[in-house]
Amino acid sequence: GDSVTQMEGPVTLSEEAFLTINCTYTATGYPSLFWYVQYPGEGLQLLLKATKADDKGSNKGFEATYRKETTSFHLEKGSVQVSDSAVYFCASWVGGGADGLTFGKGTHLIIQP
Amino acid sequence: EAGVAQSPRYKIIEKRQSVAFWCNPISGHATLYWYQQILGQGPKLLIQFQNNGVVDDSQLPKDRFSAERLKGVDSTLKIQPAKLEDSAVYLCASSLTGGGWQKLFFGSGTQLSVL
Repeated sequence: GDSVTQMEGPVTLSEEAFLTINCTYTATGYPSLFWYVQYPGEGLQLLLKATKADDKGSNKGFEATYRKETTSFHLEKGSVQVSDSAVYFCASWVGGGADGLTFGKGTHLIIQP
Repeated sequence: EAGVAQSPRYKIIEKRQSVAFWCNPISGHATLYWYQQILGQGPKLLIQFQNNGVVDDSQLPKDRFSAERLKGVDSTLKIQPAKLEDSAVYLCASSLTGGGWQKLFFGSGTQLSVL
């Protein structure tokens, strides 16, 4: 079945460091891909998405590029801030009638000042 | 704009008891989802409603879980009887229309502990 694999956390970085959180997917067909973020005490919220190969999603300084050849959608940010500390979830949607997303296990990111 | 409201925030019950969770989606959102998130895992879809009809409940354990959205607005999710493995956070989400590419708006969830 469809699945999403993310790097395990926690990931601890210093402020202004470069961030990469790896995400790979397996799917029948070509899914839409998403990154959701959960800040402490809040619900999940959409960070960015890409719906076809080579698309780049971006928001709040974060970027991710849909790479069909490597089945990946890695999340990157050039300079992280303490306020970026959260849990990040990669997710996919293949379609075919059902709209539910397939989520990865989440990566806890901790940014130290 | 008000977000997705869920209650209660926390619930502790003993196994074999019953429990119910409530969700009020964003006004005007036709599609409502219930997800289950077990500690250390990503959310897993339990059921999807489009207005008051069920679109997908293939992963809902129907022998113990039930859900309804009678007037196409609020929804309740019930577990009866609860098992230890039902301990999880139950997330409600809504979107303006159906379609997996749509932006989902999540509530803060109900954390269930089954003892």
